[in-house]
Amino acid sequence: GQQLNQSPQSMFIQEGEDVSMNCTSSSIFNTWLWYKQDPGEGPVLLIALYKAGELTSNGRLTAQFGITRKDSFLNISASIPSDVGIYFCAGSFLSGNTGKLIFGQGTTLQVKP
Amino acid sequence: DGGITQSPKYLFRKEGQNVTLSCEQNLNHDAMYWYRQDPGQGLRLIYYSQIVNDFQKGDIAEGYSVSREKKESFPLTVTSAQKNPTAFYLCASNRGSYLGNEQFFGPGTRLTVL
Repeated sequence: GQQLNQSPQSMFIQEGEDVSMNCTSSSIFNTWLWYKQDPGEGPVLLIALYKAGELTSNGRLTAQFGITRKDSFLNISASIPSDVGIYFCAGSFLSGNTGKLIFGQGTTLQVKP
Repeated sequence: DGGITQSPKYLFRKEGQNVTLSCEQNLNHDAMYWYRQDPGQGLRLIYYSQIVNDFQKGDIAEGYSVSREKKESFPLTVTSAQKNPTAFYLCASNRGSYLGNEQFFGPGTRLTVL
């Protein structure tokens, strides 16, 4: 099926550093979503993007919907230990909208205090 | 508190047995989804339902079955035909695709086949 390319696959950073991750698709999306998953739990929605070029913040998190509609990035500023987890991007297609999402493979973030 | 519940949290089954995973939501959402998650991989769609009494296969439906008799409930049965059923299973819901594509997830059920 359709794949999203999410990178990097994993990151190990020092507390206080900024983090950046991104997703790219070969198809045009009308929605980009970013989720965080703690170990053994379900993903939690962080940010939803619906418009090309849109830049949205949620506390220390900022995400952007790429102008081409084929990519999105997530930035985390001044990382803290509780930022540890797996971050997933997800997108849905422009046409034939069934609410289905395509997920990236995740970015595993580890923060060293 | 509105939300999605999945039970049980951990489930063990012997090879050759069918098992049903529960998913209930009190968010009044129309659409519900089942995903499978394996280590190091993203979420893969098993089945989804956009309305009561209707559901569609996702990308990896073989060996699974679902029902949607009530708006609040979307149980998933892992049958003995599923070759590699050990995984983390996640249920999600959505208000309805015409209202936006944000999906909200339950806490998951970890299934282990012994």
